Amino acid sequence: DQQVKQNSPSLSVQEGRISILNCDYTNSMFDYFLWYKKYPAEGPTFLISISSIKDKNEDGRFTVFLNKSAKHLSLHIVPSQPGDSAVYFCAASDPAGNNRKLIWGLGTSLAVNP
Amino acid sequence: GAGVSQSPSNKVTEKGKDVELRCDPISGHTALYWYRQSLGQGLEFLIYFQGNSAPDKSGLPSDRFSAERTGGSVSTLTIQRTQQEDSAVYLCASSLGIYTDTQYFGPGTRLTVL
Repeated sequence: DQQVKQNSPSLSVQEGRISILNCDYTNSMFDYFLWYKKYPAEGPTFLISISSIKDKNEDGRFTVFLNKSAKHLSLHIVPSQPGDSAVYFCAASDPAGNNRKLIWGLGTSLAVNP
Repeated sequence: GAGVSQSPSNKVTEKGKDVELRCDPISGHTALYWYRQSLGQGLEFLIYFQGNSAPDKSGLPSDRFSAERTGGSVSTLTIQRTQQEDSAVYLCASSLGIYTDTQYFGPGTRLTVL
């Protein structure tokens, strides 16, 4: 049973336009959310995060929005660049226990076309 | 400084053989995580180390899987009597401490069991 869901396996966007990647979660106890980007043959790299006490976090071209009532978050990339083409994983931090286990979505493959 | 490194990058083995996968975390990172990603699947948590101890082994899929960490640094993941369903990319990540959520990933080891 997927606790973190990325319902769009792929997304194609024109260079310069906005990319919006969505993520839904089921556990209201999750208190920290992260986005990772993964290129082929490489490990995931951290992109941006947001605490559950916030509803928005911005870092350059990347903004993450959190809607706790809807248990939904989204990553906005503006403007999209061809180098952004990668698989994007949403992850939620499970506060149960003390190891901050990350629960991962299945990823969304973003293609930014020149 | 150097990132997380893993070896080998690729491993092809025959069913029934044992394999050892190695992870060198970022120097100074006390927390170390093992994940695997099977084809078409998201990241699956396997085990977590804080220092040399493993408080959370809940993700290990069977008793054929074991892991250890020595000197608070290098970790090895051992799979005994490999099966074809063990074929996956095995990813290692480290973080500064157990309450630090940003995990830094290595490039992974692609394991193929024939």
